[in-house]
Order: sequence, then C-alpha cells, then structure tokens
Amino acid sequence: EVQLQESGPGLVKPSQSLSLTCSVTGYSITSNYWGWIRKFPGNKMEWMGYISYSGSTSYNPSLKSRISITRDTSKNQFFLQLNSVTTEDTATYYCARYSIIRGTIDYWGQGVMVTVSS
Amino acid sequence: DVVMTQTPVSLSVSLGGQVSISCRSSQSLVHNNGNTYLSWYLQKPGQSPQLLIYKVSNRFSGISDRFSGSGSGTDFTLKISRVEPDDLGVYYCGQGTQYPNTFGAGTKLELK
Repeated sequence: EVQLQESGPGLVKPSQSLSLTCSVTGYSITSNYWGWIRKFPGNKMEWMGYISYSGSTSYNPSLKSRISITRDTSKNQFFLQLNSVTTEDTATYYCARYSIIRGTIDYWGQGVMVTVSS
Repeated sequence: DVVMTQTPVSLSVSLGGQVSISCRSSQSLVHNNGNTYLSWYLQKPGQSPQLLIYKVSNRFSGISDRFSGSGSGTDFTLKISRVEPDDLGVYYCGQGTQYPNTFGAGTKLELK
C-alpha cells in the first residue's frame, strides 16, 4: 500500500524558508505525480504544486516564485521549499500522490503543522 | 481559478439517515479529453483527507456503496445513505480539470 510521511520543522520564522520532506513507501515516485497541499486554519485547502514521474513541475501561480518541489528518486522522497514565508503560510502541510488514471489525489500523508512566527 | 462552492456549510443527521452535499464549480469541469475530474474527500477528526469518489461517480477502493456521486458540467452531488458514526467529519469536493486544482470550503457532517 502507498504510504506517505511528511517531516520537517513545525516552527519557521517570518522571511525564512520552509522546508519539508515527504518519504514514500510502497510505491515508486518515478510513477504518477507527487505534490503538496496545505490546509489553513478554518478549513480552506490550497493545492501548492506537483512533481511528475519525469521530474517536471507545476506550481500554483498564487505562490509565484516562492515555491520549489524537488525529489530524490534514490531515497523515494520529494521535497517542498517555500521561501520568504509570512504568518499567512501557517497551515497544515500534506504531501500526496496524484493518480494519473483516476485524475485525482488518491493518497495523502498524515500532515505536518507548520507555524510561522517570530 | 475555478471556484468550488459547497453547500451546506454544515449538516446535522441522525444515524441511519441520508444526506446530500452539493458542489458547484464556476466553470465546466469537463476536460478536453472528455473526462470530468471532480472528486470527493472526507477528513475525519484528527486524520488526513481520504478519497471517496473520483471522476464524479467512481468509488475509490474500499469505499462503501453507501457513498454515491453524481452530476455533470458544473453541478455535482454527494449522497450518503444509512449514515454511520464513522462518516462524521468534513467533506470536500475538489476539481482536477484545470490548473490550479481547487477545493470547496468543506461541509461539516455532525450528529443530530
């Protein structure tokens, strides 16, 4: 079974970078798409971006040039970096698999809560 | 961006009852390839979201047939019959037809 697990700091200072790792077991990240979604306090969910099986990326324009998603296929991990964070980036961050066949996110990690505060 | 509008915001139900949740999109969700990428998710308290329905009406692996999805174009509905305690939580619709993918604001299902 596909399992995803996020890891990273739970507290980041404003203007710094947020970096998270998603470790995947049970499935190779060289198939399908892999991405990040965040849920803000109050339930609003935002799709942040994907990295494909080939390594190409697609990002939410709302995040402009602040976001980068990369991967390490040897470790079956992919990563999120979000630069110049503000308190508005406080959220629970989920990594997830996007199934090409189903055309949707079908597996989610447990999520990691990240607070941006000085 | 495609705006997904879910109604109602919250819903109270008795165990064994039936409920419907509506999701409307600001643009048609029919993709150029003919598929409609509308999904439904449930987030139970303390858990991550889980996929229930994809491409409007297809149940994900292991999902009970008490859950059914329908609709087309811009109007979609999730129906839950014979509600059980494990069905409680927040339901989200989401679209994958257009970038960026977007989600509804959620519908909280509670016990009456």
